[in-house]
Amino acid sequence: AQTVTQSQPEMSVQEAETVTLSCTYDTSESDYYLFWYKQPPSRQMILVIRQEAYKQQNATENRFSVNFQKAAKSFSLKISDSQLGDAAMYFCAYIASNFGNEKLTFGTGTRLTIIP
Amino acid sequence: DAGVTQSPTHLIKTRGQHVTLRCSPISGHKSVSWYQQVLGQGPQFIFQYYEKEERGRGNFPDRFSARQFPNYSSELNVNALLLGDSALYLCASSLSTGGFYGYTFGSGTRLTVV
Repeated sequence: AQTVTQSQPEMSVQEAETVTLSCTYDTSESDYYLFWYKQPPSRQMILVIRQEAYKQQNATENRFSVNFQKAAKSFSLKISDSQLGDAAMYFCAYIASNFGNEKLTFGTGTRLTIIP
Repeated sequence: DAGVTQSPTHLIKTRGQHVTLRCSPISGHKSVSWYQQVLGQGPQFIFQYYEKEERGRGNFPDRFSARQFPNYSSELNVNALLLGDSALYLCASSLSTGGFYGYTFGSGTRLTVV
């Protein structure tokens, strides 16, 4: 069974600084997708960034980037120039890409606090 | 375009009662998934429907059931409610199955069982 582990329950960063959130996963599949979702107090899960396992290049979305290490099964999220609006719970998630496996597996989340 | 719409936003029920939660996907999305998020944890997969057929089921008891309608909206039903069913129930829609298209989530229904 696939598992996703986020070992940092809470993180804090000064506004405008850079922070990295960690995520590791376990799978026997070779093709899959990885996601980082942000969940602010409004409760809605917002997609931050997505990575296809077959792509060696790390995904980037403006101030958000990932460090994807397939062999190590590691998928960390780097937030540059942190802003107050980045404060939220961040969840790492995995899904195998084989048809018929429709389940997103989430980690337990990291609560990110931005210090003004 | 409207996002994923869930109703109601909050609900309080008594143990043993039945509850129905509703989800309208983004226009054009044919896949709907349901997740349960207990306080302090990540979401847990309950069901996935695509083209009105069940395509995936998580490790939840038979008290949980769901269906998808011809307009791709979906209902999640929970019978014989237990205190442990108190959680945020999230609906996610996608163009198709699998992770390629990604998933868009609604704001959830907060269910409290007393």
